[in-house]
Amino acid sequence: EPEVTQTPSHQVTQMGQEVILRCVPISNHLYFYWYRQILGQKVEFLVSFYNNEISEKSEIFDDQFSVERPDGSNFTLKIRSTKLEDSAMYFCASSAQRGANEKLFFGSGTQLSVL
Amino acid sequence: AQSVTQPDIHITVSEGASLELRCNYSYGATPYLFWYVQSPGQGLQLLLKYFSGDTLVQGIKGFEAEFKRSQSSFNLRKPSVHWSDAAEYFCAVTGSGTYKYIFGTGTRLKVLA
Repeated sequence: EPEVTQTPSHQVTQMGQEVILRCVPISNHLYFYWYRQILGQKVEFLVSFYNNEISEKSEIFDDQFSVERPDGSNFTLKIRSTKLEDSAMYFCASSAQRGANEKLFFGSGTQLSVL
Repeated sequence: AQSVTQPDIHITVSEGASLELRCNYSYGATPYLFWYVQSPGQGLQLLLKYFSGDTLVQGIKGFEAEFKRSQSSFNLRKPSVHWSDAAEYFCAVTGSGTYKYIFGTGTRLKVLA
């Protein structure tokens, strides 16, 4: 089965530093997402991206966050100035369709630790 | 408020026993419901989904779930659990007009040999 690939699997950074989390969605997919899961808490929606623009974002996705699809294959999440509370597992997901045939494929995640 | 509740944080069953994982949702519009499974070090994998029609849906790995609108529930069942089913299970809801999935906190399943 095709896979969503995320790199790195673990990222450690100092508070205030910028991080970029990378994802390679499945090649014919059109809809892209970032979710995160703080340890012991729910998986939370951050942002969705379609047709080269943000289609929806949550209140978590503030000005410190941005997403980009720079080259037609990668999909990145940038956190400009990390905070301790950004420590979480970040999941990328993609889907080919919306509606009844919608199926999200998730990557295995990037564990971000902010020190 | 829109939410998903999975009341059981941990469940332990013996191999071969039946399984039911509970999921209750609160959603203002017509819900689309999902169950995902996450094995250690893996991403979330879709087990099954309900959009409309038959309220009993079949999924992969022998799982099924039943949508009960009157109870706002979407419980996951399996008649006979295998050791390889040990994982974390997430229920999620979304609706038309939004890209956002709302997840529950998950239920960690342990299977005893």
